[in-house]
Amino acid sequence: DIQMTQSPSTLSASVGGRVTITCRASQSISTWLAWYQQKPGKAPKLLIFRASSLESGVPSRFSGSGSGTEFTLTISSLQPDDFATYYCQEYSGYSRTFGQGTKVEIK
Amino acid sequence: EVQLEESGGGLAQPGGSLRLSCVASGFTFTDHHMNWVRQAPGRGLEWVAYITTSAFHMKYPDSVTGRFTISRDNAKNSLFLQMNNLRVDDTAVYYCVREVVGVGFDYWGQGTVVTVSS
Repeated sequence: DIQMTQSPSTLSASVGGRVTITCRASQSISTWLAWYQQKPGKAPKLLIFRASSLESGVPSRFSGSGSGTEFTLTISSLQPDDFATYYCQEYSGYSRTFGQGTKVEIK
Repeated sequence: EVQLEESGGGLAQPGGSLRLSCVASGFTFTDHHMNWVRQAPGRGLEWVAYITTSAFHMKYPDSVTGRFTISRDNAKNSLFLQMNNLRVDDTAVYYCVREVVGVGFDYWGQGTVVTVSS
């Protein structure tokens, strides 16, 4: 099965700052990658699909890039509502593996 | 409005069994592959089962293969997860999740809690 590795596991950032999270796949997944945001006690929310397509209703400060095995999620100007945990997920075959998550904390 | 309502969680002993159910409404159930995802206390998301629209294909990670079985009843808009030989580390919130082909997981249920303890 494909393994997904996110980095960092935790990051501290300020409101208005730029945040970049990296996700690496153990083998090529083309652009079959999604990003999710999860807040405590809530179900995850889909942000990005096909590596770089923004889900409807998601603010444009979120963007995704990459293909093959290397992917990034960028938040261009961090807002108070963005402090949460972010997960990448591959869906290239029948498996649907998540990365281990990146917690974005207030600096 | 899309709704996914899970049930069947509870307390089980190690080695025991539980069957989770999910009733879907607000969309055409047969148009969507479905999944179960779990989250142990204080831990990340773990995908545990996938089933195609017609139940022709199912897939599991190694951690549950041979112990968990996903199924669906399209006539009743229902998804199931049969969990056998439960372990303490199966303790988690289990989510029923709708998938859109080529997009990912767009709707999640509220989750049902499974606790495995002696």
